[in-house]
Amino acid sequence: GEDVEQSLFLSVREGDSSVINCTYTDSSSTYLYWYKQEPGAGLQLLTYIFSNMDMKQDQRLTVLLNKKDKHLSLRIADTQTGDSAIYFCAEPTSVGTYKYIFGTGTRLKVLA
Amino acid sequence: DTGVSQDPRHKITKRGQNVTFRCDPISEHNRLYWYRQTLGQGPEFLTYFQNEAQLEKSRLLSDRFSAERPKGSFSTLEIQRTEQGDSAMYLCASKRGSTDTQYFGPGTRLTVL
Repeated sequence: GEDVEQSLFLSVREGDSSVINCTYTDSSSTYLYWYKQEPGAGLQLLTYIFSNMDMKQDQRLTVLLNKKDKHLSLRIADTQTGDSAIYFCAEPTSVGTYKYIFGTGTRLKVLA
Repeated sequence: DTGVSQDPRHKITKRGQNVTFRCDPISEHNRLYWYRQTLGQGPEFLTYFQNEAQLEKSRLLSDRFSAERPKGSFSTLEIQRTEQGDSAMYLCASKRGSTDTQYFGPGTRLTVL
């Protein structure tokens, strides 16, 4: 079955770049997603990448996709204290209901 | 606000009580999902509706759980005879087309004492 894995914690200093990594299993996924969750809140869509792309840039966010290794990363440039949150990558199932399979989330802590 | 809304945002109940949560999706979205998120974990799929039809249920959805979407708009999730293990955040998401992006509501945090 599908599985999505992420490292649990990342700590960076304000102004540095953050890189959050994710590995997934379903090579036929059409899109892959990154969501942000602040304490006690729901999931906020950050960005997504179509599976035929290698890279997508959106302001401070850069998504890299390596389909061969089934590896997805999210880079946040000039990380701010407001970026402190949990980041989830999500892979939709390729058939049926396209429900999302989420990783366990990476908790990003930004140090001032 | 035209996003997904959920009510209530927080619910505290005693073990054995029944609870019901409501989700109002984005108006033109005919596909609706429920997920459950426990502490330190990512959300896990519970069930899926396309219009009023419930098309998939996870094995996580025990007999004590029931979900409805009677008119293909809002949805309710009921938990009967709550247990402490039901304590979690219950998230609702909606989308328009089959491969479109899901948009999530703020969630309902359930605490069972």
